[in-house]
Amino acid sequence: NAGVTQTPKFQVLKTGQSMTLQCAQDMNHEYMSWYRQDPGMGLRLIHYSVGAGITDQGEVPNGYNVSRSTTEDFPLRLLSAAPSQTSVYFCASSGGASYNEQFFGPGTRLTVL
Amino acid sequence: RKEVEQDPGPFNVPEGATVAFNCTYSNSASQSFFWYRQDCRKEPKLLMSVYSSGNEDGRFTAQLNRASQYISLLIRDSKLSDSATYLCVVNKAWGGATNKLIFGTGTLLAVQP
Repeated sequence: NAGVTQTPKFQVLKTGQSMTLQCAQDMNHEYMSWYRQDPGMGLRLIHYSVGAGITDQGEVPNGYNVSRSTTEDFPLRLLSAAPSQTSVYFCASSGGASYNEQFFGPGTRLTVL
Repeated sequence: RKEVEQDPGPFNVPEGATVAFNCTYSNSASQSFFWYRQDCRKEPKLLMSVYSSGNEDGRFTAQLNRASQYISLLIRDSKLSDSATYLCVVNKAWGGATNKLIFGTGTLLAVQP
């Protein structure tokens, strides 16, 4: 199993550009989430999904969109990048027998200039 | 006040030392508790769940005090490889509902040779 994979690993954007961060998991987990991690802030939930076709907002959803057309994939779209979105983004999944454990992807380091 | 509070450290300890981390949470309705480990520039990984009766995994012992809303992690015989950031995580609901997970900002441990 590859677990949770994320692409790209690093990205630099200019203010106003849009892009999609990719996330995929091969564990057949029903829950998937996107977090951002900033110094001194801890991990904060952006959006989450409890299954294909179902998404909802987390703590800091503004400026981001998500969709969940399949169980495996959960892309995060930045609509118009802003310097405040400079962060490390982690995708995570959970479900099945290990529903209490979040499995994280390796992260995407995003810089918005 | 943050929902989950941790001493950010750093804790600088010599190899072989015993070190304890503490975490407090504000929501008395919180249901489940965890310690995650995050290596530098890597994703968080589950270290152990925390139960009311206390639980031990090798050199690691976790304790929960619901009355004081306090969680602890004890590491005995510290190894260089224990150097990492330790995240306290609280779930405000049962099950895998990721929208109820609250992450602390982490405590940095540096084990010195």
